[in-house]
Amino acid sequence: DAKTTQPPSMDCAEGRAANLPCNHSTISGNEYVYWYRQIHSQGPQYIIHGLKNNETNEMASLIITEDRKSSTLILPHATLRDTAVYYCIVRPPYSGAGSYQLTFGKGTKLSVIP
Amino acid sequence: DGGITQSPKYLFRKEGQNVTLSCEQNLNHDAMYWYRQDPGQGLRLIYYSQIVNDFQKGDIAEGYSVSREKKESFPLTVTSAQKNPTAFYLCASSLAPPNTEAFFGQGTRLTVV
Repeated sequence: DAKTTQPPSMDCAEGRAANLPCNHSTISGNEYVYWYRQIHSQGPQYIIHGLKNNETNEMASLIITEDRKSSTLILPHATLRDTAVYYCIVRPPYSGAGSYQLTFGKGTKLSVIP
Repeated sequence: DGGITQSPKYLFRKEGQNVTLSCEQNLNHDAMYWYRQDPGQGLRLIYYSQIVNDFQKGDIAEGYSVSREKKESFPLTVTSAQKNPTAFYLCASSLAPPNTEAFFGQGTRLTVV
């Protein structure tokens, strides 16, 4: 499985864009990049995922580099409620049992500051 | 509302006792998962089930057992063989991989004294 590297923590001013980086230099061509976040003492929440193209939904945008070795999750206008741990995950391609295993690292703790 | 429900939210047990954590979903998902989270750490996969009457060990299955008799339910039993059972336990469900998101419950915090 491709591994991911994220900074342990980041700060962002309220109302500004939060840009959370993720390195996945060993990603294979058919593996998806997923982002989840976990607010303290709650279950993780799905944010967005992508394969090659940039993606946007009501929560965030996902920018994947052309070589797919890294990606950035963008929260366009961070609020205090966006304070959470953000996990970048590479999901194995569908090839049997391994495709069911989402591997969560320690993620990035984002603190949105008033 | 559709969702995934874990109960109870907090659970206390004496050392040496088995304890079963409940997980129910009404999302019609085939796949279900159990994760363990320790303070300041990521999530580690305990067991997962692709379909009813089938389940597979994850990375840390020792000391745990599961069953999948119904599509909606995937209970986890923490046995006395689990050396460090105190943790935050999370259940999740999803459609079949690969291009699907997992929905998580709110977790059960188990404390063994």
